[in-house]
Amino acid sequence: KAGVTQTPRYLIKTRGQQVTLSCSPISGHRSVSWYQQTPGQGLQFLFEYFSETQRNKGNFPGRFSGRQFSNSRSEMNVSTLELGDSALYLCASSPQGLAGETQYFGPGTRLLVL
Amino acid sequence: KQEVTQIPAALSVPEGENLVLNCSFTDSAIYNLQWFRQDPGKGLTSLLLIQSSQREQTSGRLNASLDKSSGRSTLYIAASQPGDSATYLCAVIKSGYSTLTFGKGTMLLVSP
Repeated sequence: KAGVTQTPRYLIKTRGQQVTLSCSPISGHRSVSWYQQTPGQGLQFLFEYFSETQRNKGNFPGRFSGRQFSNSRSEMNVSTLELGDSALYLCASSPQGLAGETQYFGPGTRLLVL
Repeated sequence: KQEVTQIPAALSVPEGENLVLNCSFTDSAIYNLQWFRQDPGKGLTSLLLIQSSQREQTSGRLNASLDKSSGRSTLYIAASQPGDSATYLCAVIKSGYSTLTFGKGTMLLVSP
């Protein structure tokens, strides 16, 4: 079974631009979560999608948004990029997004904002 | 608000040593705890998941224990190898859905 894939792997943007990142979960997994990883803050939860609905949201500004498609693939969008948005963005999938399930992570998208 | 702390932040050991990584959390009302490994610039690999009703889980040379009442978990690595060099992260799930709250990790270096 293929693992979680994320595209693109690397991205360079300038302040003020917007960016869209993509995540394809493991086949059969319906829950996709997004995390931001920075050296200072570590890994922080952004949001979780299940069956095309945002089910849970972390403490990030409205510039961060996402969506999920009927095939469970998910995208996250960051508008009006700031230097502090430079980070590794990771997505994770699980079958139902329930607490007892193992989360499987993708390799991440490294975003650099100049 | 749940806070997860990992000690030490970094650890360097010679090959063959047994070692213990520590994880503590402030809110003992967790559903489960998961240990991950992260190689430089890469995503996370799940190592062990311990349900709140369990005391420990084992996988090969890895053993993770959980003491909910004291808010602590340990990851024991037996007979360490250079290939074990990575950052080890613990994460807790409070209840219901699968949102993970992570510690900042322990960076492990095993030298030959």
